[in-house]
Amino acid sequence: NAGVMQNPRHLVRRRGQEARLRCSPMKGHSHVYWYRQLPEEGLKFMVYLQKENIIDESGMPKERFSAEFPKEGPSILRIQQVVRGDSAAYFCASSPRQAGGSGNTIYFGEGSWLTVV
Amino acid sequence: GENVEQHPSTLSVQEGDSAVIKCTYSDSASNYFPWYKQELGKGPQLIIDIRSNVGEKKDQRIAVTLNKTAKHFSLHITETQPEDSAVYFCAATPGGSYIPTFGRGTSLIVHP
Repeated sequence: NAGVMQNPRHLVRRRGQEARLRCSPMKGHSHVYWYRQLPEEGLKFMVYLQKENIIDESGMPKERFSAEFPKEGPSILRIQQVVRGDSAAYFCASSPRQAGGSGNTIYFGEGSWLTVV
Repeated sequence: GENVEQHPSTLSVQEGDSAVIKCTYSDSASNYFPWYKQELGKGPQLIIDIRSNVGEKKDQRIAVTLNKTAKHFSLHITETQPEDSAVYFCAATPGGSYIPTFGRGTSLIVHP
């Protein structure tokens, strides 16, 4: 049983470049969450998606960041024109159904560490 | 929205001692409370969770308690071992929501 798969695990980008982070949810899971973790800080919610739909992007910065979860293929978090402040660990999580209040747990991947130089 | 406070930020104990991590939440509608353990360079792993209709739950050396009236919940680890050293996160999710809100984490260090 493969868990949540994220790649790349580590990514280095120069300021102004684009970063693309990919996430394949656990088998049978159709809900994907992206969280960002800055050094010495907790997990900050960014966006919640189902297949072909963005359900909640209230935690996503208004500019340069976008996310998608197409019918086929992994979910992608895209950061355009990266700046040093984007350096962080980005975690993807998935659940089989709508999580949280119904008691459905979200399961995290191993993360993608983005470094902007 | 929900706000979760977690204390302490760092906890240092001797092997064999108990460790307690406390969290408070703000939204009385929250009804699901998972705890995650994150080792260095890895993703958070669920270790235990509790729902609002339960006051306590145990799994071997780990237990979680919930006080809905006071809106706080705690993680208890007994007989700590060096491999328990990690960052622990609590989370709370309102019943009408689907997005867990996390505390800032507690770095637990167990000294052999």
